[in-house]
Amino acid sequence: DVKVTQSSRYLVKRTGEKVFLECVQDMDHENMFWYRQDPGLGLRLIYFSYDVKMKEKGDIPEGYSVSREKKERFSLILESASTNQTSMYLCASSSPGTGGGEQFFGPGTRLTVL
Amino acid sequence: GEDVEQSLFLSVREGDSSVINCTYTDSSSTYLYWYKQEPGAGLQLLTYIFSNMDMKQDQRLTVLLNKKDKHLSLRIADTQTGDSAIYFCAETETGGSQGNLIFGKGTKLSVKP
Repeated sequence: DVKVTQSSRYLVKRTGEKVFLECVQDMDHENMFWYRQDPGLGLRLIYFSYDVKMKEKGDIPEGYSVSREKKERFSLILESASTNQTSMYLCASSSPGTGGGEQFFGPGTRLTVL
Repeated sequence: GEDVEQSLFLSVREGDSSVINCTYTDSSSTYLYWYKQEPGAGLQLLTYIFSNMDMKQDQRLTVLLNKKDKHLSLRIADTQTGDSAIYFCAETETGGSQGNLIFGKGTKLSVKP
């Protein structure tokens, strides 16, 4: 059974803290994605990666960075958390040419920045 | 740019059929998808349809694709309270990086007993 896991379901941090969100997939997928989900705004792509050490900016990369040192792991970093980064963060992975190229999602991390 | 539009809310009675509609702009999308998100959870792929198909049926789910009008719909027969969730329509992004999807904002389906 395919699986994408995220390090935390709920996280509470203070303004200015450095925050790490971890995502691991066990499907040997090349592509990995980080989204944030906010009410009324749907999913917005923050960063994505095609391969180890590769990263590309999505639609809203400001205030975030990513790291992909191993194929199975994609980390999202908030260098200095701010209250407007309070959101649900979703990680996904996919493999081009597999089935319909669909993305598989993790359960999400609900981050609150106080 | 590419865009996917869907209405935000739909309310139906248990046992009725639900139809969730979506319009998209990129006529060259290869695949179109329907995802389901239950409260507090991630997105789960329900089904997808290849762009050269008009219809796909999977148990209670029927997907209809009208390429001319760039319209995609998801019909859920005999809707149950367990179908209450947010449903996202998505298309493959063309001209961009491989594997990227463009998502609609999601339709919240409420099923009343």
